[in-house]
Amino acid sequence: AQSVSQHNHHVILSEAASLELGCNYSYGGTVNLFWYVQYPGQHLQLLLKYFSGDPLVKGIKGFEAEFIKSKFSFNLRKPSVQWSDTAEYFCAVNAHGGGATNKLIFGTGTLLAVQP
Amino acid sequence: GAVVSQHPSRVICKSGTSVKIECRSLDFQATTMFWYRQFPKQSLMLMATSNEGSKATYEQGVEKDKFLINHASLTLSTLTVTSAHPEDSSFYICSAQREGGSPLHFGNGTRLTVT
Repeated sequence: AQSVSQHNHHVILSEAASLELGCNYSYGGTVNLFWYVQYPGQHLQLLLKYFSGDPLVKGIKGFEAEFIKSKFSFNLRKPSVQWSDTAEYFCAVNAHGGGATNKLIFGTGTLLAVQP
Repeated sequence: GAVVSQHPSRVICKSGTSVKIECRSLDFQATTMFWYRQFPKQSLMLMATSNEGSKATYEQGVEKDKFLINHASLTLSTLTVTSAHPEDSSFYICSAQREGGSPLHFGNGTRLTVT
């Protein structure tokens, strides 16, 4: 069965600092990978996704993530965070093919607090 | 585009009653809808997957007789919490997917409080 782990539960950064949030998944087959963001009081929104092709994907608001198949990782990065990036970030994996069922499994989330 | 509407956003009910939550995809047809539950300070836990016109697939540990899911059309799925108990109090979120493997689009969630 597929699973997702996010190593950092709570991250505190100052504005302009660089961000990297770790995400590892376990599934040996084909996966689609996502990062979702939940701003305070709002619903989940898609930040970026990887389906195939270039393993470095760019999303909204300057975020990017790199899929490293050999490491089963899909880390989220941003070179310079802003106060408005304060939110909870969820990595998610959708395994398909090879008998996998189509469902999206979420990591435990990382709460990012950016201090002005 | 890809708007998902979830209603109600907040509901308080008495123990033993049933509550229905609606999830609608407003501007696209959703072949699959998912229902998640989120406990405070925790991640989203998948409860069930529903495909239009067929029975929902429940995750292990989720009581299908308690959480009734109906997916009658490509734009509407409902979750009914039957005989609610205080431990059912939680945040329920639906999401809709156009086709297998594509991103999910989420509703705003429903805060259920059972007294």
